[in-house]
Amino acid sequence: AQKVTQAQTEISVVEKEDVTLDCVYETRDTTYYLFWYKQPPSGELVFLIRRNSFDEQNEISGRYSWNFQKSTSSFNFTITASQVVDSAVYFCALSSDYKLSFGAGTTVTVRA
Amino acid sequence: KAGVTQTPRYLIKTRGQQVTLSCSPISGHRSVSWYQQTPGQGLQFLFEYFSETQRNKGNFPGRFSGRQFSNSRSEMNVSTLELGDSALYLCASSLGTGLGETQYFGPGTRLLVL
Repeated sequence: AQKVTQAQTEISVVEKEDVTLDCVYETRDTTYYLFWYKQPPSGELVFLIRRNSFDEQNEISGRYSWNFQKSTSSFNFTITASQVVDSAVYFCALSSDYKLSFGAGTTVTVRA
Repeated sequence: KAGVTQTPRYLIKTRGQQVTLSCSPISGHRSVSWYQQTPGQGLQFLFEYFSETQRNKGNFPGRFSGRQFSNSRSEMNVSTLELGDSALYLCASSLGTGLGETQYFGPGTRLLVL
């Protein structure tokens, strides 16, 4: 069975602060994929990043960065210098048996 | 390229009725997956279709069914609606059905059952 845990339910920050979202996963498979999606108030899930289990390199894309550590089964996501437009629910997801399993999501509120 | 489209966007039904939701994938995508999102259960996988065949199914009762057409468009049907079926139903498409395929989501259909 696969499981994704996002322990933080809500995070509230002031604009320009950094935000780190935690994601811990469980799977018995050696080959799997991890994803982050953003869900703004409009409801549509927006794809942010995909990593496979063999690629532990950290990645930076603009103000977004991801830290993948197999040793701790974590795939954390950091938003640097947050902006009001970053306010959304962020989901971590795991694909290891041809199904996508989502965490419960973390609601990020960025205040001006 | 147009994204995933879902119709209708909002729907109100009463208990016992049935409902059909429609999803048009991104052009060229052959796999369509459906998810139910509720405040209590979060995002849950319903089923996946590829080349008009159901490839994978989540843990939902038989009242939930779907199909895919030759143009990759998909529909899902819920019969004998219950209050607990009120949810946001999200459709996602991907190029193929392999492990790790990136799924791109539509805006969802918000269903309210009274």
